[in-house]
Amino acid sequence: KQEVTQIPAALSVPEGENLVLNCSFTDSAIYNLQWFRQDPGKGLTSLLLIQSSQREQTSGRLNASLDKSSGRSTLYIAASQPGDSATYLCAEAGTYKYIFGTGTRLKVLA
Amino acid sequence: NAGVTQTPKFQVLKTGQSMTLQCAQDMNHNSMYWYRQDPGMGLRLIYYSASEGTTDKGEVPNGYNVSRLNKREFSLRLESAAPSQTSVYFCASKGQGAGTEAFFGQGTRLTVV
Repeated sequence: KQEVTQIPAALSVPEGENLVLNCSFTDSAIYNLQWFRQDPGKGLTSLLLIQSSQREQTSGRLNASLDKSSGRSTLYIAASQPGDSATYLCAEAGTYKYIFGTGTRLKVLA
Repeated sequence: NAGVTQTPKFQVLKTGQSMTLQCAQDMNHNSMYWYRQDPGMGLRLIYYSASEGTTDKGEVPNGYNVSRLNKREFSLRLESAAPSQTSVYFCASKGQGAGTEAFFGQGTRLTVV
């Protein structure tokens, strides 16, 4: 059974810092991996989807990588801003089911 | 561009009451999902519908029923609410194909007293 883990649970960084969020999964036969952002009291917003055949995806200041052999995905945020403060969730995006990690709560300090 | 719309946004129920959470998507997606989100537990799948006319249990289906009314709408019913069902409920939808993303509604915050 696939399990998805995100460590740390919370992270505070000063504005302008580059940072990496981690996501680990137990079953390397992962289908796709998707990163989401969740603001307090809101729904989930999709950030990036990496298909199992891909190594990485980029959108603006965000870069997500996928290493199936090591069971890891990372979300790199360049030049962080206070507006990046949110909870970031990763999930195995299966054919019909998503399995989520518990998220990393990021606070970017001005 | 509505995406996934959930109603209501907030609800307080007494133990034993019933209610239906409504979800509609306007993206012509085949698959729809209901999740609940609890502190420290992450999002857990309650039920999903891979296509119109089909529904399947997820990780935590007990105490819930669902109806895929048509391709657009997927409702979640609590027949006899319990305090353990206090949670935030999210509906999501996803199209077909390997590279399609899931889209989520804004959530329903349910409190059972």
